[in-house]
Amino acid sequence: DTGVSQNPRHKITKRGQNVTFRCDPISEHNRLYWYRQTLGQGPEFLTYFQNEAQLEKSRLLSDRFSAERPKGSFSTLEIQRTEQGDSAMYLCASNPSGRNDEQFFGPGTRLTVL
Amino acid sequence: GQQLNQSPQSMFIQEGEDVSMNCTSSSIFNTWLWYKQDPGEGPVLLIALYKAGELTSNGRLTAQFGITRKDSFLNISASIPSDVGIYFCAGLRDGGSQGNLIFGKGTKLSVKP
Repeated sequence: DTGVSQNPRHKITKRGQNVTFRCDPISEHNRLYWYRQTLGQGPEFLTYFQNEAQLEKSRLLSDRFSAERPKGSFSTLEIQRTEQGDSAMYLCASNPSGRNDEQFFGPGTRLTVL
Repeated sequence: GQQLNQSPQSMFIQEGEDVSMNCTSSSIFNTWLWYKQDPGEGPVLLIALYKAGELTSNGRLTAQFGITRKDSFLNISASIPSDVGIYFCAGLRDGGSQGNLIFGKGTKLSVKP
């Protein structure tokens, strides 16, 4: 399978715990994006990388959230001191550099904070 | 965050019927994309539009980039049960961030066989 992959697919955690998600983009895709989707809503942009550089962060990305892409390949999204309001689907997408329109999404990680 | 106005919110149709949905914004967009999302999965790209007035088809799906650059339409002809899902419009705003797709809230399509 050469699509975007995300792990884990589901994560249940207790409030206050830290969680980390991983995204593996389509190979050779320079750009990688993170979105958050809550029930009944469309995805909302969080941040994006070109290679290893984080080029933009949304205001939705509070200081409890951090994303990395250290080698310009896979990326991780960490949420510290989780809150119930963090419960959502976290989606990753990628596309080749220069094509910032057609973004290809992974299956998402469903986070439930108890 | 900013989202596009997508309508209708939901549709219940009979198999074989045609479907129309649209997306509007108060801002000008350079690119319009239409995605379909199944429960528990990520959105899958259906059609991409790049120019005002552009009409693009993908099988039974046809989408148009509005002349004003503030809207887009998606039509599905002769619906079948596997068309069930949530359809999202998404766009890149003129003068906006690179790569920051703005999404509508989705149109949930149900098809009765």
